[in-house]
Amino acid sequence: EIVLTQSPGTLSLSPGERATLSCRASQNVDFNYFAWYQQKPGQAPRLLIYDTSRRATGIPDRFSGSGSGTDFTLTISRLEPEDFAVYYCQQYDSSPPLYTFGQGTKLEIK
Amino acid sequence: QVQLQESGPGLVNPSETLSLTCAVSGGSIGISHWWSWVRQTPGKGLEWIGESHNSGPTFYNPSLKSRVSISLDIPRNQFSLKLTSVTAADTAVYYCARQASYNIDSWGQGMLVSVSS
Repeated sequence: EIVLTQSPGTLSLSPGERATLSCRASQNVDFNYFAWYQQKPGQAPRLLIYDTSRRATGIPDRFSGSGSGTDFTLTISRLEPEDFAVYYCQQYDSSPPLYTFGQGTKLEIK
Repeated sequence: QVQLQESGPGLVNPSETLSLTCAVSGGSIGISHWWSWVRQTPGKGLEWIGESHNSGPTFYNPSLKSRVSISLDIPRNQFSLKLTSVTAADTAVYYCARQASYNIDSWGQGMLVSVSS
């Protein structure tokens, strides 16, 4: 099973700043099999980024994803008040089919 | 836009079977996509339970495989989850979801299920 480790656990920033969230996999992940989600309190996760770098429908262009192999990054170029939430990375392994998630990074207002 | 809504008992006795249903609107489960269940706990975070497709195959998380089943009811446009022999460790928010190209693009609102006597 591929384990995803996110860092930092908590990130304290101010609106307008740039946020960089990391996700490291225990084995190589195909770029088509990697995604990022945002979750706000009391809500379901929302797909932000899929295929490592493609924005999901309706996601602002201040969100971007990058990476390959075992190291992936979610960048938020200029934080808006509504961006403060918990972010999860996710990968898919085909043999056998299994989706796993990172433990999350909490992005909080400084 | 597809919408998903979980329903079922919010409290289940230990050793019994947890049963949830997901009603889908705005899209047919019999045409395309994989339909799945994910749960979330404070301790283990997000955990994928399994997926099913109208073409037949169903896959489960190996850690739950011996206790879980997912089935599609295409005429009713809904799908279900059954988890047997539950313990307190199965207490979680359960989400039904639609998968697309190795990610989850639509989620239900989630339902808290507690396992307790």
